[in-house]
Amino acid sequence: SQTIHQWPATLVQPVGSPLSLECTVEGTSNPNLYWYRQAAGRGLQLLFYSVGIGQISSEVPQNLSASRPQDRQFILSSKKLLLSDSGFYLCAWSVDRGPGKGTGELFFGEGSRLTVL
Amino acid sequence: DQQVKQNSPSLSVQEGRISILNCDYTNSMFDYFLWYKKYPAEGPTFLISISSIKDKNEDGRFTVFLNKSAKHLSLHIVPSQPGDSAVYFCAASERSGGSNYKLTFGKGTLLTVNP
Repeated sequence: SQTIHQWPATLVQPVGSPLSLECTVEGTSNPNLYWYRQAAGRGLQLLFYSVGIGQISSEVPQNLSASRPQDRQFILSSKKLLLSDSGFYLCAWSVDRGPGKGTGELFFGEGSRLTVL
Repeated sequence: DQQVKQNSPSLSVQEGRISILNCDYTNSMFDYFLWYKKYPAEGPTFLISISSIKDKNEDGRFTVFLNKSAKHLSLHIVPSQPGDSAVYFCAASERSGGSNYKLTFGKGTLLTVNP
């Protein structure tokens, strides 16, 4: 069966410090990978998605970056955190159904709570 | 511009009664809709989905209704149980369009089922 893990679960960082959140998926190959953020009082905002190794699409201009060094590994990073980067970060994966076939269900990790002070 | 809207931030229901969560969308290219359930400090879990070629999909106590002309969908939970208390997110995607890798989520509705 497929599993997804992300870490760390909680993180408290000072403004201006770097960030690295890691996500790995097991039990599937060539998944689509996503980073979402849930900020206070807001829905789930898509930050990045990836359809393959080294292929990253950014949805919103921001202070963050993403990388996919391996097929089932997705990393969210920042060189200098801002207060506005605080939130609940969620990694997710979906089956790659191919062009024109749409995405099915997303399967989410446990989430990482980031507090920037 | 919010393409998926959940206008009720919260809903309170008595155990055993029906819970109805509503969702509206503006993008006519959306053709696949999903509901997710989220407990605090956990990732969302998939609940039920519906394709635009249907107007109803049922799975146990959960039923999703789709009204394409009104661009409206709803999730019915019957009977409601205290364990159903969670935030429910509505999501939509374009299966045949260029954005076929993405889900667009609403802001969520906090459901509280009282014993």
